[in-house]
This record gives sequence, C-alpha cells and structure tokens, in this order.
Amino acid sequence: DAGVIQSPRHEVTEMGQEVTLRCKPISGHNSLFWYRQTMMRGLELLIYFNNNVPIDDSGMPEDRFSAKMPNASFSTLKIQPSEPRDSAVYFCASSFRAGGRNEQFFGPGTRLTVL
Amino acid sequence: QQQVKQSPQSLIVQKGGISIINCAYENTAFDYFPWYQQFPGKGPALLIAIRPDVSEKKEGRFTISFNKSAKQFSLHIMDSQPGDSATYFCAATGNAGNMLTFGGGTRLMVKP
Repeated sequence: DAGVIQSPRHEVTEMGQEVTLRCKPISGHNSLFWYRQTMMRGLELLIYFNNNVPIDDSGMPEDRFSAKMPNASFSTLKIQPSEPRDSAVYFCASSFRAGGRNEQFFGPGTRLTVL
Repeated sequence: QQQVKQSPQSLIVQKGGISIINCAYENTAFDYFPWYQQFPGKGPALLIAIRPDVSEKKEGRFTISFNKSAKQFSLHIMDSQPGDSATYFCAATGNAGNMLTFGGGTRLMVKP
C-alpha cells in the first residue's frame, strides 16, 4: 500500500492567494483527519471526517479555512485568502474505525509558506 | 485549552542511556493513550499505545508506564540509540471516537 498521499509536498504562495491541499487516504480507511503543525502550537487537529461526513470542525481556525471530502478516496483543505500566519506543515491522516480506537496513519505533510 | 501536557520539551541522552518522557492529562474520559514518533520531514507514526486497564506495556526497548490515579503516563526508551533521535508525541482519546489530543512533543537527541 502506498500509504496516505498528500500533494503538494511544498507550497509557497503570497498573502491573499488561494491555497488547496490534497489528500488521498489509505484505501479502505473510513476516517480522515487534517492536522496543522507549528513550533508554537504543536500538532493541532483541524477537522475530522467519518465516512466522508465532517464530524468535528471545531479546530478550523476561521472561515478562511474549508475542507471537503467528496468521496472516500479524496479530500481537500482550502485556505482562501491565505495569510502569513497560516505558514505551517499540514498533515492528513486516515484510519479504519471499527468500534475501538484505531491507529491513525499520517501522510508526509505539505509544508506551506505564505509570504 | 491543552488537555495533555508533555515534558520535557527537549531531551539529550547518551547512547545506551534511558530516555524518559512524561505526560499528564486532565480529561478522565480518556481511555486510550498512544505515543507517536516523528522523524524530520516525515509524518508522525504510531510507536506504542496503552489502555488504562494495565499499568505497563512493553514493546522491545520501548515501555509505557501508566498511573491512572495520578492521570499520568510516560514513555521509557531503554538502551537509547542515535536512531531514536526524533520528536515524540503522547496523545489521548476517549469516548469521542478516534479524535486524538496530542501533547506538545519532546525532541529527543541521542548522542553517540
């Protein structure tokens, strides 16, 4: 299995531009998570989908952030407009939820720099 | 509000020594406590996990110790190796499902 796939791996953009991050979860997994990692705030959960439905988006910082999961094999995290404080590494993770707690598998991350 | 507090933020250990990382939680509904290991440029990966019905779990050189009454748990790395140099995150989840609350992370450096 290829694992969780994220693209792009690196993104440099200017303030005010729209940024779209993409994630392909592991085939067969039914839960998907978007995280943001910074030195100051550590690893933060932004949003969590189960069976393509958003379950908890309380970690989404503000309305500039939106996430979609149109099908079981694809999700996007969009920032519009982007700001320098959005610079971080964004991780996507997936898991197969079957009653108990299940391991989350993380992708390699997208390093976003907003100038 | 940070619900899982992790210490220390950084740790330097000599090769062959014991690395100890501590975490404390507040939410008594937490019932699953994994540790994740992250190498530079990579995503975190599950290292070892424990449930509160046991006080200790060991996998190779890695051991989790769990103190339910104190709401604390720790990771011990025995015979630490330079290849163990990474950032370690404790985490916790409860009956809310698969959502993990992560500690702030500990950057471990093992000197040869």
